[in-house]
Amino acid sequence: AQSVSQHNHHVILSEAASLELGCNYSYGGTVNLFWYVQYPGQHLQLLLKYFSGDPLVKGIKGFEAEFIKSKFSFNLRKPSVQWSDTAEYFCAVGGGTALIFGKGTTLSVSS
Amino acid sequence: NAGVTQTPKFQVLKTGQSMTLQCAQDMNHEYMSWYRQDPGMGLRLIHYSVGAGITDQGEVPNGYNVSRSTTEDFPLRLLSAAPSQTSVYFCASSWGQDQETQYFGPGTRLLVL
Repeated sequence: AQSVSQHNHHVILSEAASLELGCNYSYGGTVNLFWYVQYPGQHLQLLLKYFSGDPLVKGIKGFEAEFIKSKFSFNLRKPSVQWSDTAEYFCAVGGGTALIFGKGTTLSVSS
Repeated sequence: NAGVTQTPKFQVLKTGQSMTLQCAQDMNHEYMSWYRQDPGMGLRLIHYSVGAGITDQGEVPNGYNVSRSTTEDFPLRLLSAAPSQTSVYFCASSWGQDQETQYFGPGTRLLVL
């Protein structure tokens, strides 16, 4: 069965700390991978996506993610977080017409 | 472009009542989807459509109906609301060749008493 697992339910960081959010997937076939972000009170926005090519993908607001096929992983990283990065982050995988989302990771950044 | 719009923003229903959540997009997207978001559960797909007149079930379709009579609109119907349907509902749309990059609406918060 297709599934997405996000390891961290809630991450608390101080400003300027580095961030890595884990995402593993189970999917039989070619996958497309996504990270979405939901800021408080807002709808989901696309952070970055991977379809093919360079496994290191850069997104908006300084975020990047690395696709490691052998580990079925697509971890999200940011070298230095800001208070404004406080949000919920969702990893998603697709191979057809709809996405499968992970349960989300809440990131709280203190100033 | 308004993008993906949803109405209402918030709704309270009594158990057994019916209602329709509206979703519209003005980007001429072929693909539209409905998700529900519950704490600790992420987003779960309810129904989706790959074009006008074509719909299919997602992960949690029970208790919901959809139709797609036009490209722009994709309403979600609750036939007989239950407390378990208390959730935040998001509509999303995407374009054919990049169908999985979905654009989300602002959501409808539904409370069923």
